[in-house]
Amino acid sequence: SYVLTQPPSVSVAPGETARIICGGDNIGRRIVHWYQQTPGQAPVLVISYDTDRPSGIPERFSGSNSGNTATLTISRVEAGDEADYYCQVWESDTDLRVFGGGTKLTVL
Amino acid sequence: EVQLVESGGGLVQPGRSLRLSCAGSGFKFDDYAMHWVRQVPGKGLEWISGINWNSVSRVYVDSVKGRFIISRDNAKNSLYLQMSNLTSEDTALYYCAKDSSGGVAASGTLDSWGQGTLVTVSS
Repeated sequence: SYVLTQPPSVSVAPGETARIICGGDNIGRRIVHWYQQTPGQAPVLVISYDTDRPSGIPERFSGSNSGNTATLTISRVEAGDEADYYCQVWESDTDLRVFGGGTKLTVL
Repeated sequence: EVQLVESGGGLVQPGRSLRLSCAGSGFKFDDYAMHWVRQVPGKGLEWISGINWNSVSRVYVDSVKGRFIISRDNAKNSLYLQMSNLTSEDTALYYCAKDSSGGVAASGTLDSWGQGTLVTVSS
């Protein structure tokens, strides 16, 4: 099955830019969604269809997808952005959904 | 406002069965595919099953295929997961999630999630 690879952790200072990558074979040919999960809470969709921001998600959140890497970018990081972030794709051959292993964003 | 409320979790012995339910409200339930996603405490998300709007298409991850059955009752705005032959590896928080589209054969997002119900498999 399709594998999505994420770094276990990313650390960034407040006000800086965080980039969380999601690697996969030709992932640029797939549609990627991103979810944020704060401790004790259910996941929340933060980026859909590679680049779309759902209603209520700050403009500081953006996404891109090309080649073998999809990227979630969080600009002007705030303490409240500290969370686990997961990428997810649809595997068209099997109709399965696949999640990356998740990246813990730490705001220093 | 979309609301998804899971129930049915609890402590169950290995080899036994359990049925989870998810009640949806705030949206037209029968327009959307639905999914179950689980999370071992402290670990990542694992998608395990999805069902399209009219129950014609159901998909499962290999680790639960043949043991879990996803179903829905659109008249009751409810999603179910019948789990059998449970093992300790099934211990997790189980979330139901709404798809942004009606089909599982699509790249829709999981755009709304419940708060989860905890299943513990232990003797």
